[in-house]
Amino acid sequence: GAGVSQSPSNKVTEKGKDVELRCDPISGHTALYWYRQSLGQGLEFLIYFQGNSAPDKSGLPSDRFSAERTGGSVSTLTIQRTQQEDSAVYLCASSLRHNPDTQYFGPGTRLTVL
Amino acid sequence: DQQVKQNSPSLSVQEGRISILNCDYTNSMFDYFLWYKKYPAEGPTFLISISSIKDKNEDGRFTVFLNKSAKHLSLHIVPSQPGDSAVYFCAASVNAGGTSYGKLTFGQGTILTVHP
Repeated sequence: GAGVSQSPSNKVTEKGKDVELRCDPISGHTALYWYRQSLGQGLEFLIYFQGNSAPDKSGLPSDRFSAERTGGSVSTLTIQRTQQEDSAVYLCASSLRHNPDTQYFGPGTRLTVL
Repeated sequence: DQQVKQNSPSLSVQEGRISILNCDYTNSMFDYFLWYKKYPAEGPTFLISISSIKDKNEDGRFTVFLNKSAKHLSLHIVPSQPGDSAVYFCAASVNAGGTSYGKLTFGQGTILTVHP
């Protein structure tokens, strides 16, 4: 079956531009997560969705970051007015509601802000 | 504040020998621990987990040990194989009897290289 997919796989942008990152979770997975991995760091939690609602947005680093999920499926992470410190690999994961800790990750989007 | 720490950035092991990856945590609320494995250009994949009510969990060549008093866990791979070469992440959550919604706190990762 299809796993979690993310697009684009790589994104190079200029400082100050907006970017959108997309995640397609595994069909039937109600929970969706965004993480960020900066160079030499572990994965940093950003936001959690259950269905279309986001009960926990506590990891979003600033108000330049936002995310939405529609139809209980596809999610988009938007970063406005990108800064160089936003450069990282952005990973999306999904899981079943009854087993949330076992998460299935996509390959990530590598974002480079010049 | 790094609540989950993997103090060894890398580990090199000979094929057939044991690999031991270590992880320490500071948050005493964590009660569920996982190891994820990551190959280059791929997302992490779940490997093995352990609840705080246990001190050991085994799955084939992989065993995770938990020492709650020391807030320490380790992953043992025996025997190590070249295909095990990857980045290994330790993760923790507050499961609280099944109330977790999956907010995982990850360590920085350890790069394991298994030489033929």
